[in-house]
Amino acid sequence: NAGVTQTPKFRVLKTGQSMTLLCAQDMNHEYMYWYRQDPGMGLRLIHYSVGEGTTAKGEVPDGYNVSRLKKQNFLLGLESAAPSQTSVYFCASSYSAGNNSPLHFGNGTRLTVT
Amino acid sequence: GDSVTQMEGPVTLSEEAFLTINCTYTATGYPSLFWYVQYPGEGLQLLLKATKADDKGSNKGFEATYRKETTSFHLEKGSVQVSDSAVYFCALSDQSNYGQNFVFGPGTRLSVLP
Repeated sequence: NAGVTQTPKFRVLKTGQSMTLLCAQDMNHEYMYWYRQDPGMGLRLIHYSVGEGTTAKGEVPDGYNVSRLKKQNFLLGLESAAPSQTSVYFCASSYSAGNNSPLHFGNGTRLTVT
Repeated sequence: GDSVTQMEGPVTLSEEAFLTINCTYTATGYPSLFWYVQYPGEGLQLLLKATKADDKGSNKGFEATYRKETTSFHLEKGSVQVSDSAVYFCALSDQSNYGQNFVFGPGTRLSVLP
């Protein structure tokens, strides 16, 4: 049972570099999300997708882009990394838009921008 | 907007002690409520949920009751174990214009000493 898989697990970037974080889920979930987790701030939603080919902005979208070309994959891109983007990034998915559908999380990507 | 408030801790207990982690919420609709647990180096895992007033969610000895009159969803366990050491997140799920909206509290770190 793979569930939600994130790659890579760790990454160090220099300011201005770019990278893509990959999220893959094998549960046939429609909804996928990218969150960042920072100390004392809980989880903040960056971008989300309600289905293949659709994306939308969350609470903190600036500096990030996303794509959902395939239902099972949700990519998060940083075009020009900044130290403020040092964080732990979590991908999540859910089955439906109903209130009862819980989020399923990956194990996270720890990103450091120097 | 919707919000979740929980005691931030850290909370330190001895093994077999009683645990309470307080959580209160503000929501305009009729949210579902969740507790997630995060072990070191891992993503968040669903611990329990409740979808309507007076529902009690339970799992692995943990319980929480959806109290609409006090807008609370406090997490309790009668006898904690060292293996319960983790960060616990209270969250709500509500309907928004785009579908399901999750709001997380800041997390409460629990340390259980042998």
